[in-house]
Amino acid sequence: AQSVSQHNHHVILSEAASLELGCNYSYGGTVNLFWYVQYPGQHLQLLLKYFSGDPLVKGIKGFEAEFIKSKFSFNLRKPSVQWSDTAEYFCAVRNTDKLIFGTGTRLQVFP
Amino acid sequence: DAMVIQNPRYQVTQFGKPVTLSCSQTLNHNVMYWYQQKSSQAPKLLFHYYDKDFNNEADTPDNFQSRRPNTSFCFLDIRSPGLGDAAMYLCATSSPPNEQFFGPGTRLTVL
Repeated sequence: AQSVSQHNHHVILSEAASLELGCNYSYGGTVNLFWYVQYPGQHLQLLLKYFSGDPLVKGIKGFEAEFIKSKFSFNLRKPSVQWSDTAEYFCAVRNTDKLIFGTGTRLQVFP
Repeated sequence: DAMVIQNPRYQVTQFGKPVTLSCSQTLNHNVMYWYQQKSSQAPKLLFHYYDKDFNNEADTPDNFQSRRPNTSFCFLDIRSPGLGDAAMYLCATSSPPNEQFFGPGTRLTVL
């Protein structure tokens, strides 16, 4: 069965620091990959997605992710975080018409 | 704006008293999902409808039921809520293989 691992459970950064959140999936075939963000008290929103093509995907709010097939990874990055990026981040892989979510990474950014 | 709407946003019920949560969408997506999300955890899929076809997750308790009377609406019925059912309930829609769009959620409190 497919699974998604997010190894960073809680990340604490200062503003302007660079961010990289890890995501690994366990499926060797064609994958559709997603990063969702959940700001405090708000609903899950799509940050970015990968279906095919350029493995470096640009998302909203300055986020990007790189699909590395050989490493089964889809890490999320942002060169300079802001206090407003404080949120829970979920990586997900599509399995037929369902999503398999990782356990999430809680990001706290301090001014 | 096209969106996913959930009502009510907050629901308080008593132990064992049936409760119904509703979800509507203006996206005209053919798939609707119900998730349970507990604090600082990933959303857990309860079931989903692909058009009128109901798909239950193997570990979803019988206490949880769902109805989808038409494309736009989907309901989650909890027949006898227990204290362990207190959670945020998320509705999502999609037109696979595209991403899922999430509603704001209904926070259920069981007294």
